[in-house]
Amino acid sequence: EVLLVESGGGLVQPGGSLRLSCAVSGFTLSSYWMNWVRLTPGKGMEWMGNISPDGSGRSYVDSVKGRFTFSRDNAKNSLYLQMNSLRVEDTAVYYCARGTDLFPGVDYWGQGTPVTVSS
Amino acid sequence: QSALTQPPSASGSPGHSVAISCTGTSSDVGGYNYVSWFQHHPGKAPKLIIYEVSKRPSGVPDRFSGSKSGNTAFLTVSGLQAEDEADYYCCSFGGDNNLVFGGGTKVTVL
Repeated sequence: EVLLVESGGGLVQPGGSLRLSCAVSGFTLSSYWMNWVRLTPGKGMEWMGNISPDGSGRSYVDSVKGRFTFSRDNAKNSLYLQMNSLRVEDTAVYYCARGTDLFPGVDYWGQGTPVTVSS
Repeated sequence: QSALTQPPSASGSPGHSVAISCTGTSSDVGGYNYVSWFQHHPGKAPKLIIYEVSKRPSGVPDRFSGSKSGNTAFLTVSGLQAEDEADYYCCSFGGDNNLVFGGGTKVTVL
């Protein structure tokens, strides 16, 4: 069974940092592109970007470029999202999602971890 | 890239059908047959129910169907059941390693 479990969310002040983790099981992480998506109250789902199977390639949307960093440790079956210079508008539930080799998109998701940026 | 446009809500009675639209542009929905739909019960992991516009993953009931016309994709849920009450999100490939999602539609089973 494919499982993804995010952790590390919480309350952080504007300008602060947070590191999210995504632990996966049930598939070989090193074979897949992995994505980060967030769900914000007003905007719905927002794809933030992805990271290549070996971690050498990363793509970010403009709203997080320069502030967020994707990384992965395939040996530990884990994915990471380092978030710096957090803003109130980054408040969201953050999901990791597996890229699919059937089509350009995602298939399996975790249940998400909430992040609140507030003073 | 701008988000895809979905109606915020839709509803239908048990046994009836509901259709949800997802409008993009020729750079995403209209340009590729790579539209997918996800069912999301809050607090749980979103679930893929349609991919490549109209294909269903194994295990997804055929009550769920997808289609596309121009820059707009559609998800139809037929024979509505109580467990279909959820949020539904569309997603499209936007070219150049980009994905774009819709704002979501809350489906209520009356």
